[in-house]
Amino acid sequence: GENVEQHPSTLSVQEGDSAVIKCTYSDSASNYFPWYKQELGKGPQLIIDIRSNVGEKKDQRIAVTLNKTAKHFSLHITETQPEDSAVYFCAASWAGGSYIPTFGRGTSLIVHP
Amino acid sequence: EAGVVQSPRYKIIEKKQPVAFWCNPISGHNTLYWYLQNLGQGPELLIRYENEEAVDDSQLPKDRFSAERLKGVDSTLKIQPAELGDSAVYLCASSLRTGSSTDTQYFGPGTRLTVL
Repeated sequence: GENVEQHPSTLSVQEGDSAVIKCTYSDSASNYFPWYKQELGKGPQLIIDIRSNVGEKKDQRIAVTLNKTAKHFSLHITETQPEDSAVYFCAASWAGGSYIPTFGRGTSLIVHP
Repeated sequence: EAGVVQSPRYKIIEKKQPVAFWCNPISGHNTLYWYLQNLGQGPELLIRYENEEAVDDSQLPKDRFSAERLKGVDSTLKIQPAELGDSAVYLCASSLRTGSSTDTQYFGPGTRLTVL
């Protein structure tokens, strides 16, 4: 089955800095890569996603990149704000698995004011 | 629009006791998921329902876990008897359908179970 590795497990930045979270996956059949944000006491919420036919996608201050050859993808957050503090999960999925995501272990992002 | 509702939010029980979690998905969502989230890890699928049919329960420990979605709307997940290792957050999610990458899963807030 699919295995998703995520690094770092904890990331501490100053407000206004950029944050980068990296993930690798093992199954070359995976072609859909969502990212989730989980705030304390809440369930994960989809914030951005990317498909395998696209190398990069941007939505305001967040962007995702995908290198299908190397089987890795990354989340970039620019101009971080304290409200960005949360746990971020990357995930990988494909049609054969009904797009049920396999999640990474999560990155706890702390943005210091 | 109301999100996915779960209850209770927190539950503390002693080992060997039974426990049940309830989930009400977003109105109109045919697919319902139960996930297990251990501390410091991502969610792992336990069971997926298409309407009232369990279409993927391969990861559900059937010796002690059971689930039902009788009328294809809300769902109950039960553990009997609970073990210490069952302490975790149990997340419910729903989506319009499965099989499409464009079909977003919406998660509830989860039930945090502590087994003493």
